[in-house]
Amino acid sequence: AQKITQTQPGMFVQEKEAVTLDCTYDTSDQSYGLFWYKQPSSGEMIFLIYQGSYDEQNATEGRYSLNFQKARKSANLVISASQLGDSAMYFCAMREGWSNYQLIWGAGTKLIIKP
Amino acid sequence: DAGITQSPRHKVTETGTPVTLRCHQTENHRYMYWYRQDPGHGLRLIHYSYGVKDTDKGEVSDGYSVSRSKTEDFLLTLESATSSQTSVYFCAIKETGDPGEQYFGPGTRLTVT
Repeated sequence: AQKITQTQPGMFVQEKEAVTLDCTYDTSDQSYGLFWYKQPSSGEMIFLIYQGSYDEQNATEGRYSLNFQKARKSANLVISASQLGDSAMYFCAMREGWSNYQLIWGAGTKLIIKP
Repeated sequence: DAGITQSPRHKVTETGTPVTLRCHQTENHRYMYWYRQDPGHGLRLIHYSYGVKDTDKGEVSDGYSVSRSKTEDFLLTLESATSSQTSVYFCAIKETGDPGEQYFGPGTRLTVT
């Protein structure tokens, strides 16, 4: 079974609109972490935001926020007021426990912002 | 900038030849990782290291070996390259402390013909 599922292979969003990128995860660990990364067309991987399983508040970093619903095992990334520069691949990843800090990755969502 | 470089950045090689990719970091991070990225698969872990001479296998380690003789360098070797190893290879380090996010090098595009 897939541990990280990103159900939207691609999305088109109008500039300045908010966008939600879906991520569901599967783990039996009580302690885990969820990460979002951005990969522009230039290819580099950019860390965006992190949510720990014990964090009571949803994580926020500037225009990025994480809609963490633990009971549903979802950790959706919300980008407010989208910009053309937000066009990229977005990956959700999970760390289970703390033993070796390995990340398990989703297949990604390609986001295209339309002017 | 986590000070991670990868070399070479691009390589074309023939089936059956050995290939070594190098990852170099300048900030003494303990954990280093090698991933491959293929369309539809996201990133898949090949091998990782948790210290000098301490390495372990990841999800897709068959056909790959690694070495870490110095903190700053983590080498990935394809002993006998196959066309299925055509991919983009990323090296990453784990940031010290929590939550331990990973930072990535620029990637190496490897084509095996």
